[in-house]
Amino acid sequence: KNEVEQSPQNLTAQEGEFITINCSYSVGISALHWLQQHPGGGIVSLFMLSSGKKKHGRLIATINIQEKHSSLHITASHPRDSAVYICAVPQGLRGSQGNLIFGKGTKLSVKP
Amino acid sequence: ETGVTQSPTHLIKTRGQQVTLRCSSQSGHNTVSWYQQALGQGPQFIFQYYREEENGRGNFPPRFSGLQFPNYSSELNVNALELDDSALYLCASSLDSGSMETQYFGPGTRLLVL
Repeated sequence: KNEVEQSPQNLTAQEGEFITINCSYSVGISALHWLQQHPGGGIVSLFMLSSGKKKHGRLIATINIQEKHSSLHITASHPRDSAVYICAVPQGLRGSQGNLIFGKGTKLSVKP
Repeated sequence: ETGVTQSPTHLIKTRGQQVTLRCSSQSGHNTVSWYQQALGQGPQFIFQYYREEENGRGNFPPRFSGLQFPNYSSELNVNALELDDSALYLCASSLDSGSMETQYFGPGTRLLVL
């Protein structure tokens, strides 16, 4: 079983739809990262959160530490949101080494 | 733009050859991590360098080695290339090595081994 599991693997939406991507993890963590990867390959960090909720523009990330689950929401989706969204957790707990364990990613395609 | 650059962007090698990939971190970032991403998969941790010393390693054989230099640049070297080494190689720099640090990724080097 992978330590970080994402669902769905692929998601197609119409412009304007509300989108939810889910991430579950099996290890104890200090924080969880949501990242965005465009077709060219570059990865951009969207959020790092350890509790509650964070919002940036149309993106909202939530985490439930007890349930070991996080969600990434996109409101009023737009074709430029099309990308792979990846959930990742640090291998160690707070204070220890910060290399990341990644999920396989969710490929989002938003149609106009 | 994350301020992290990688070179080359693309590379084709043949089995058995050696390759060096380069990464330039953000100024002041003491930590660089290298990841391998096979097609359709999430990145896998190769190793991390902190202040020019290896600071952790994933499940990769010794033919994967690295260096970090005082000028915030680093290298990933792979000897005796195998077909399965074909992947996108990503470096990520962070201010420090801890688990609460944001990592800033480079655009990656796409390696094809024939």
